[in-house]
Amino acid sequence: GAVVSQHPSWVICKSGTSVKIECRSLDFQATTMFWYRQFPKQSLMLMATSNEGSKATYEQGVEKDKFLINHASLTLSTLTVTSAHPEDSSFYICSAATTGEREQFFGPGTRLTVL
Amino acid sequence: GNSVTQMEGPVTLSEEAFLTINCTYTATGYPSLFWYVQYPGEGLQLLLKATKADDKGSNKGFEATYRKETTSFHLEKGSVQVSDSAVYFCALRTGANNLFFGTGTRLTVIP
Repeated sequence: GAVVSQHPSWVICKSGTSVKIECRSLDFQATTMFWYRQFPKQSLMLMATSNEGSKATYEQGVEKDKFLINHASLTLSTLTVTSAHPEDSSFYICSAATTGEREQFFGPGTRLTVL
Repeated sequence: GNSVTQMEGPVTLSEEAFLTINCTYTATGYPSLFWYVQYPGEGLQLLLKATKADDKGSNKGFEATYRKETTSFHLEKGSVQVSDSAVYFCALRTGANNLFFGTGTRLTVIP
């Protein structure tokens, strides 16, 4: 089946620094990628949807200047958390879908801890 | 709005026990309903789905029936195995690709 990877799987950073998370589709071309955030004991919440080569569409309440999303190729999307703060500590999950296929394939997630 | 409520875990069962994980939803329009499973260290995987009322989704011995009258999509399996230990997420989708997830239920099956 379709495989999506994320890197890193976990990261610890200091408050005020920026962190980049990569999401790759390994065996298919992902025209659309999704970024989710999951706080402990809460649902996965969609943050943004990105289509290859165009700007991401952010969900209400998600700061686009803080969570920078780049989907520069059909196999790679990145999420950069800029000037991270402890409240940004969370589990970030990406998913990918190909043209005409609505099923999303999920990465294993990245746990971010901001000290 | 759209939301999914599923039973809180964790759930611990002995091997060969019967499993039920409850899931109810609220949605605008006519949603499709899903169960995803996440094994340790892996991404969410689609387990089963149902796209309209009274449909039954099934896979790997798991079943769930789309009940419009009770807005429910409970997950069941007649005899669980240790390998079923994972986190299970109920989800819905309306219209576009956006998925709305429940909080997840951790299942542990002991030999």
